Amino acid sequence: GESVGLHLPTLSVQEGDNSIINCAYSNSASDYFIWYKQESGKGPQFIIDIRSNMDKRQGQRVTVLLNKTVKHLSLQIAATQPGDSAVYFCAENIGWDMRFGAGTRLTVKP
Amino acid sequence: SAVISQKPSRDICQRGTSLTIQCQVDSQVTMMFWYRQQPGQSLTLIATANQGSEATYESGFVIDKFPISRPNLTFSTLTVSNMSPEDSSIYLCSAGASGQGAGELFFGEGSRLTVL
Repeated sequence: GESVGLHLPTLSVQEGDNSIINCAYSNSASDYFIWYKQESGKGPQFIIDIRSNMDKRQGQRVTVLLNKTVKHLSLQIAATQPGDSAVYFCAENIGWDMRFGAGTRLTVKP
Repeated sequence: SAVISQKPSRDICQRGTSLTIQCQVDSQVTMMFWYRQQPGQSLTLIATANQGSEATYESGFVIDKFPISRPNLTFSTLTVSNMSPEDSSIYLCSAGASGQGAGELFFGEGSRLTVL
């Protein structure tokens, strides 16, 4: 169904600081989670994923944490850069059914 | 990975008309999906485009309004029928890479429709 029409939550950080973007997911049966980055005028771009049998996964400058007990996902970006400014979406997945969270707009101040 | 091309990238349409969006993937993919993203909002799944059979629609979306075709493993179309200003949105095609089962979806750049 349709998501409720809300303005995106925003996060503003200083260049070089670490960013933490949070997401609450809805289905305890979800077994795969992805963070996507969407820049203005573009489609979502894969950042990092994690399966439900893990609680942490690291990539280049990014870390995803999964807390299944409280159905919470977070994305940590180290040393945030101006190019990280975008909207970030978490997505939860059961089989091929992928559902997106509300998104967070990250603004990086120089 | 899969590269997804959509066209048109944007269009301005008159109320009551219909527009077909095309999605081309550069490799054969198991699954293709169509999403809608209204301004400032998240992505909402419209339907799963099934190769050789009727699309599977999500609650709130119907075939008469959003007919979908998927004639092969690399191509799909979404038609937005009898448009109204409420259909102004970005429509995104996505695909799951062949053989991966549940996993990463790749997205096109989207088609931004404005209905006057």
